[in-house]
Amino acid sequence: KQEVTQIPAALSVPEGENLVLNCSFTDSAIYNLQWFRQDPGKGLTSLLLIQSSQREQTSGRLNASLDKSSGRSTLYIAASQPGDSATYLCAANQAGTALIFGKGTTLSVSS
Amino acid sequence: DTEVTQTPKHLVMGMTNKKSLKCEQHMGHRAMYWYKQKAKKPPELMFVYSYEKLSINESVPSRFSPECPNSSLLNLHLHALQPEDSALYLCASSQVIGTAYEQYFGPGTRLTVT
Repeated sequence: KQEVTQIPAALSVPEGENLVLNCSFTDSAIYNLQWFRQDPGKGLTSLLLIQSSQREQTSGRLNASLDKSSGRSTLYIAASQPGDSATYLCAANQAGTALIFGKGTTLSVSS
Repeated sequence: DTEVTQTPKHLVMGMTNKKSLKCEQHMGHRAMYWYKQKAKKPPELMFVYSYEKLSINESVPSRFSPECPNSSLLNLHLHALQPEDSALYLCASSQVIGTAYEQYFGPGTRLTVT
């Protein structure tokens, strides 16, 4: 059974820092991996989708990488801002089921 | 239009009430999903509909009853819920199930059971 793990569970950084969020998965037979952002009490905002054949995707200050063979994905946030404060979830899309989510990393960026 | 809409945004119901959550998409997607998210936990899959037929039921209690009346609409009927069912209920859709297509999520319905 697929398990998705995110490290660290929480992260506090000063504004302007570059940071990396980690996601690992136990079964490499995935179609793709999605990164989401969730603000407190709100729904999910999709940030990046990486297909299994891709190595990375970029959107603005965000860059996500995928290494299927090692079962790892990272989300890199450049020049962090207080508005980036939220919980970041990664989710593996696997055949026979829907998305399987990690528990998330809660990011706090101080000004 | 990549929007999934959900109504209501908030719902408070007693344990003897019957209510329904509604989800709608007009992207032509043929797979629709219900997820449940408890506070400070990740979303967990409840049901998946594929071409208006129930494809996956993740052993959800019968007090939750899904319905897919057409390809654009997904309902979740609620009856005799317990306080522990209070959560954020998220709807999602994708082109088809079990493929590399992206899932699009609605904003969710915040349910409180008193």
